Amino acid sequence: GESVGLHLPTLSVQEGDNSIINCAYSNSASDYFIWYKQESGKGPQFIIDIRSNMDKRQGQRVTVLLNKTVKHLSLQIAATQPGDSAVYFCAENGSNFGNEKLTFGTGTRLTIIP
Amino acid sequence: KAGVTQTPRYLIKTRGQQVTLSCSPISGHRSVSWYQQTPGQGLQFLFEYFSETQRNKGNFPGRFSGRQFSNSRSEMNVSTLELGDSALYLCASSTRQGPQYFGPGTRLTVL
Repeated sequence: GESVGLHLPTLSVQEGDNSIINCAYSNSASDYFIWYKQESGKGPQFIIDIRSNMDKRQGQRVTVLLNKTVKHLSLQIAATQPGDSAVYFCAENGSNFGNEKLTFGTGTRLTIIP
Repeated sequence: KAGVTQTPRYLIKTRGQQVTLSCSPISGHRSVSWYQQTPGQGLQFLFEYFSETQRNKGNFPGRFSGRQFSNSRSEMNVSTLELGDSALYLCASSTRQGPQYFGPGTRLTVL
């Protein structure tokens, strides 16, 4: 069945350092992956997405890497700031779906240490 | 553009009652998806609507239903509320190939 897992539930990083959040997925038919950031009391905020025909995509201070061979996804955040503290979710679209039905991972809580 | 809006933001109901939540998508977005978020189960997909038609459905009982209007606004309804329905209900909208953008959610508490 579809499932998306995360390697670590919590991650603490010193301000200014880079952080890497990892995610494993099980559905090899998934062709769309997305990262969200959720702050307390708010809805998930879109960070970056990637399709299966790519293995890397960069945004502002963020990079997503996709390894389809081992079904692994990672989010790299460069030069972390206090505002990066939040829970980060990865999600996939599963098989035979567009982008409208997402299966979410359990989330990683990132804490930036000043 | 204004983001996804959801009303009400907070709701308290008792067991057995029913509730209707509302979602207004980003202008131009025709797909609206609903999710339930709980500490135990995380984020789970409820259903998705496009052009007033339900295209996708998650594994939730029939007490959970929804609809979409011609202006793409959507509502979801939960009947015969149970304690376990207490959750944050999130609405997200998207274009056909774009990412989903979430609203702030409606926090439902069932007593």
